[in-house]
Amino acid sequence: KAGVTQTPRYLIKTRGQQVTLSCSPISGHRSVSWYQQTPGQGLQFLFEYFSETQRNKGNFPGRFSGRQFSNSRSEMNVSTLELGDSALYLCASSIFGSLDTGELFFGEGSRLTVL
Amino acid sequence: EDQVTQSPEALRLQEGESSSLNCSYTVSGLRGLFWYRQDPGKGPEFLFTLYSAGEEKEKERLKATLTKKESFLHITAPKPEDSATYLCAVQATFGSQGNLIFGKGTKLSVKP
Repeated sequence: KAGVTQTPRYLIKTRGQQVTLSCSPISGHRSVSWYQQTPGQGLQFLFEYFSETQRNKGNFPGRFSGRQFSNSRSEMNVSTLELGDSALYLCASSIFGSLDTGELFFGEGSRLTVL
Repeated sequence: EDQVTQSPEALRLQEGESSSLNCSYTVSGLRGLFWYRQDPGKGPEFLFTLYSAGEEKEKERLKATLTKKESFLHITAPKPEDSATYLCAVQATFGSQGNLIFGKGTKLSVKP
């Protein structure tokens, strides 16, 4: 059974640019959540999508956005990149997401470096 | 505000030296407490879910326990392959919109 796939794995951008990250969840999983992981703050919740609708959103500025497609694949976008956006961005999929207490299955992440 | 605090931040053990990791939490009603393991360059991997005080779960050398204010991850006779960062997360019944709130983790190093 294929796991959660995130692309790209690594990318380098400069301040002011924008970036799009992609996540393919496990087949049959309808919920996709995104987390930002940094050494100082740990894992912080960005947003959750379920059946193409944003269900929840964390405390991040509007520069961070996402969407989910009919096949449950999800993308997140960060516009006008800042140095502080350098982080590991993790995608997690589950069957019901925040509606349930089931485990989250994480991808290996996309490591973004902003110069 | 819902919050999770893990201690210690880092722990070095000799192979075979048992110890415990702590996760203390404050939530407006606990729906579940989760333990994950994260290896360098990888995403977190699920270990356990605990739902109520007094509950215990075991997996190989790991045993997780839960009280009303904290959870412990006990590691018995650890091996070098147990080296990883262990993350604790809670899911609240009210507030936090049902999503997981993570602690910053405990980085465990087990030396042979």
